[in-house]
Amino acid sequence: GQNIDQPTEMTATEGAIVQINCTYQTSGFNGLFWYQQHAGEAPTFLSYNVLDGLEEKGRFSSFLSRSKGYSYLLLKELQMKDSASYLCAVRDSGSKSTFGDGTTLTVKP
Amino acid sequence: EPEVTQTPSHQVTQMGQEVILRCVPISNHLYFYWYRQILGQKVEFLVSFYNNEISEKSEIFDDQFSVERPDGSNFTLKIRSTKLEDSAMYFCASIQPGTGAVLGYTFGSGTRLTVV
Repeated sequence: GQNIDQPTEMTATEGAIVQINCTYQTSGFNGLFWYQQHAGEAPTFLSYNVLDGLEEKGRFSSFLSRSKGYSYLLLKELQMKDSASYLCAVRDSGSKSTFGDGTTLTVKP
Repeated sequence: EPEVTQTPSHQVTQMGQEVILRCVPISNHLYFYWYRQILGQKVEFLVSFYNNEISEKSEIFDDQFSVERPDGSNFTLKIRSTKLEDSAMYFCASIQPGTGAVLGYTFGSGTRLTVV
């Protein structure tokens, strides 16, 4: 089976940096995804890691350690519009993904 | 930017009725998915579809559910006899072969199904 854990809620200040962690225990692994989901909307793809290390895309970076079953999403220069849920998802040996419960990030002025 | 289109955006139905949720995936995508999200809960996999057949399905996807690609563009999810617990947001998703893993899913905007 799949088990994905991430914090339920986080709060950060506009302009700051925040790190959202995700740990996983899965029966197969074919990549880890981060999605952003605003309330009432569909998830949108942010990043993908399949090899260990850091992937950087603008203000967002994602890190993966396969041996530790651990990933984090790093958001820099936070903006108010970054207030959303951030979903960690693991793709197993097939093509489907298992999602975590999501981390609700609130950015305050 | 290409989009996945879902209709209707919101559907209210009585318990026991059949509903069909419709999706038009991105034209050059070959892998199609249905996920659902009960209000306040996680996104859950229902079914994946490739080459005109189901490739994987979850325990949620029981005999009440079916999927079809009736023509070259539409991808439908049918629930034969809806139950109260089927109330959720249903998302259609697709990926492009070869680059799907890198790009992640493209989700449609969803259909909010309310069973009363």
